[in-house]
Amino acid sequence: GAGVSQTPSNKVTEKGKYVELRCDPISGHTALYWYRQSLGQGPEFLIYFQGTGAADDSGLPNDRFFAVRPEGSVSTLKIQRTERGDSAVYLCASGQSIDEQFFGPGTRLTVL
Amino acid sequence: LAKTTQPISMDSYEGQEVNITCSHNNIATNDYITWYQQFPSQGPRFIIQGYKTKVTNEVASLFIPADRKSSTLSLPRVSLSDTAVYYCLVGAMDTGRRALTFGSGTRLQVQP
Repeated sequence: GAGVSQTPSNKVTEKGKYVELRCDPISGHTALYWYRQSLGQGPEFLIYFQGTGAADDSGLPNDRFFAVRPEGSVSTLKIQRTERGDSAVYLCASGQSIDEQFFGPGTRLTVL
Repeated sequence: LAKTTQPISMDSYEGQEVNITCSHNNIATNDYITWYQQFPSQGPRFIIQGYKTKVTNEVASLFIPADRKSSTLSLPRVSLSDTAVYYCLVGAMDTGRRALTFGSGTRLQVQP
């Protein structure tokens, strides 16, 4: 079946701009996670949704980062006033059980 | 969350068995041990999970000693396609924080 998909696969933007990254989870998965991965590092947790609500947003680095999941399926990660330090691969994962998370291929964000 | 320590990199040859050991001295009673695999330009993929003793699936085996302060991921007869980064994660599989905490992982390079 279809896995987690993320769009765009690559995004290049300029410092100060606003970006939106989209995640389509596996159908029926109620849990959705966003992670950020810098080069040579493991993924770093950002936010976790259970259904439509953000159950844990403790990983969001600051208030420039925001995520929504209005209908409990697709999620959008929004970054305002992007900075060069935001450059990374943004990974989305979904799951049904607490034991396993299925990751998408990620969106590579480059802030010039 | 228990901190994990694993080798930065390992080299092997096709057909050999590879064992990657992870230290987690501060593991808590309700923590599970989970291993993920990540190929370049892809999100991490669940390999195996265990609590104690030995767990085996079609991909790998996980050995956990009685004190649970370490664990060893065993990959039988590796092939070139097993070249990837392997992450050891330790965390409680209960309600509350469900985010995965990744370290820097072990970069496995399989040579022909």
